[in-house]
Amino acid sequence: NAGVTQTPKFRVLKTGQSMTLLCAQDMNHEYMYWYRQDPGMGLRLIHYSVGEGTTAKGEVPDGYNVSRLKKQNFLLGLESAAPSQTSVYFCASRPSWGLASMQTQYFGPGTRLLVL
Amino acid sequence: DQQVKQNSPSLSVQEGRISILNCDYTNSMFDYFLWYKKYPAEGPTFLISISSIKDKNEDGRFTVFLNKSAKHLSLHIVPSQPGDSAVYFCGNNQGGKLIFGQGTELSVKP
Repeated sequence: NAGVTQTPKFRVLKTGQSMTLLCAQDMNHEYMYWYRQDPGMGLRLIHYSVGEGTTAKGEVPDGYNVSRLKKQNFLLGLESAAPSQTSVYFCASRPSWGLASMQTQYFGPGTRLLVL
Repeated sequence: DQQVKQNSPSLSVQEGRISILNCDYTNSMFDYFLWYKKYPAEGPTFLISISSIKDKNEDGRFTVFLNKSAKHLSLHIVPSQPGDSAVYFCGNNQGGKLIFGQGTELSVKP
């Protein structure tokens, strides 16, 4: 199993450009998440999904859109990138079944995004 | 919404000593707390969790304590090792979404 993978690993954008970050998981997890990590701010939840075809806003959703057309994929889109979106983005997934103690999140390795 | 706060951005400890990382929360409604560990250039990995029906959970060198009256949890690492040097996040499951604190960077010096 590859677990949670993220594409690309690193990207440089100019202000106003658009891009899509791809997250894929092969663990048949229902829940998927997108976080951003910034110095002093910790991990902040952008959007999440509790199943195929569903999405919901997290703590910092503005400027981002997401789609979950397939259970194994969760896409994060930036329609018009801004320097404030320079960050490291992490995707995560977790199962919805079993004991709460088993419902831990598995994270991908991250995507480093620089917006100039 | 639940606020999860880690007020110490960094902690430095000597190898072999105890490391204590702290986390405060605002809402008593939620039933599960978790600690994650993150090395540079890697994604966070799950470390240990605790249910609100318990006040302590232990896994090897790692113990998490939950003080519900103070709305406070702490992670104890005994003995600390240089390989424990990482950023530690506490988090709380809120109806399907996991909300994290700001993180504490632990440095264990040989």
